[in-house]
Amino acid sequence: DAGVTQSPTHLIKTRGQQVTLRCSPKSGHDTVSWYQQALGQGPQFIFQYYEEEERQRGNFPDRFSGHQFPNYSSELNVNALLLGDSALYLCAVGGTNTGELFFGEGSRLTVL
Amino acid sequence: SQQGEEDPQALSIQEGENATMNCSYKTSINNLQWYRQNSGRGLVHLILIRSNEREKHSGRLRVTLDTSKKSSSLLITASRAADTASYFCATRRSAGNMLTFGGGTRLMVKP
Repeated sequence: DAGVTQSPTHLIKTRGQQVTLRCSPKSGHDTVSWYQQALGQGPQFIFQYYEEEERQRGNFPDRFSGHQFPNYSSELNVNALLLGDSALYLCAVGGTNTGELFFGEGSRLTVL
Repeated sequence: SQQGEEDPQALSIQEGENATMNCSYKTSINNLQWYRQNSGRGLVHLILIRSNEREKHSGRLRVTLDTSKKSSSLLITASRAADTASYFCATRRSAGNMLTFGGGTRLMVKP
C-alpha cells in the first residue's frame, strides 16, 4: 500500500481546457511531489510542496500550478492544455530528507 | 532533463537467469535509488544506496555504486516472470533536493 491516493485515475480533455488532479497522502507525510511521466520515458519532476508552500520547481511552465492544503493533500492544476501534456501524472510523498518516495498509482491524462 | 540514463533500454531474458541494468548520472549525488514500475502504474521503491556505500543487497537484488565513474548497476538474480516491469534509477543531489529519474530499462522475463 503506497499510502497515496490519486484522483481521477483516467481523464480525457481537449486542447485549451484546464484540469485539476488530486493527491491525498496518508497521515504523517507532509511533503508532496508531483511528477509527469510521458509514455516510454522516466518521470520528470514538476514541483514539491511542504507546509503548504512550493519548495522546489522543475522545468515546467507557469501553466502548471499547485496547492497543498493544511491536511497535506495536494492539487495539480494545468491550464491551457496542449497535446504534449498527455501523460501519467504521479504524486509522491516522502523525501523530506534523503529517503525514498512513495508513489500513488497516478492520473492518466489524455489531451485530444 | 534527466540526470540518469539506463542501459540497456530493453532487456529480455528467460526465467531463472540474472538481469543486470546499468545507470549513469552526471553530477555528484547524496544517494541513488532504484524503482520498479508495472505497466503504467505507480513506482515502487526497491533499494537506496548512499554515496559513501559501494554495494548493497536486498533479497534477490544487488546494487553497486561507483561514484568515480558516476554509475550504478542493479542485478536481479534468479529472475521470475513477475519481475517483468520497467526499472528506473533516480538520484538525489542533496538532502531535501528533488529526486531525478532516468529513462528506465524495460525488463521482460519469459516463463
